[in-house]
Amino acid sequence: GEDVEQSLFLSVREGDSSVINCTYTDSSSTYLYWYKQEPGAGLQLLTYIFSNMDMKQDQRLTVLLNKKDKHLSLRIADTQTGDSAIYFCALGGQNFVFGPGTRLSVLP
Amino acid sequence: DGGITQSPKYLFRKEGQNVTLSCEQNLNHDAMYWYRQDPGQGLRLIYYSQIVNDFQKGDIAEGYSVSREKKESFPLTVTSAQKNPTAFYLCASKGRGPGANVLTFGAGSRLTVL
Repeated sequence: GEDVEQSLFLSVREGDSSVINCTYTDSSSTYLYWYKQEPGAGLQLLTYIFSNMDMKQDQRLTVLLNKKDKHLSLRIADTQTGDSAIYFCALGGQNFVFGPGTRLSVLP
Repeated sequence: DGGITQSPKYLFRKEGQNVTLSCEQNLNHDAMYWYRQDPGQGLRLIYYSQIVNDFQKGDIAEGYSVSREKKESFPLTVTSAQKNPTAFYLCASKGRGPGANVLTFGAGSRLTVL
């Protein structure tokens, strides 16, 4: 079956860039997604990328996709304390497959 | 505004009791999903439904049951057979976004077994 892996924790200083990484085993998904979860809340869609694209930029967010290495990353520029949350990558399909989530802590 | 409503937000249950978590959506989505979230384990799929009056087991269906009598509603029952039901439960529905299918989530229900 599909497997999606992420580092569980990341700490950055306010104002720095954050890079959250994701690797996966199955490359048949047409779209790959990033979701954000704040404490005690549901998941909120941040962005997604078509599998034929290498990069997508949306304001402070940059998604990079390396299909050859099966590696997806999310870069958050000028990270703020409000960005502290858990970030999930997901493979699309009939049933989405989620990674374990990366807990981002932003230090003042 | 369109969205997904889960209730209750918090629920306490004694061992041996069944409880039902509500999930309602007004997004006109056909597909709906229930996930369980435990710390550090991401999301695990319990049940899903692609259309009214039809549903399928996910990866961890044992001890749970669902129904899909209306398009808008997909309630989840946590039965006494579920050995470790304390968790955060998330409902989602899937619909077409600009160029991609997108999962939209509710705010979640936290179940604690006393």
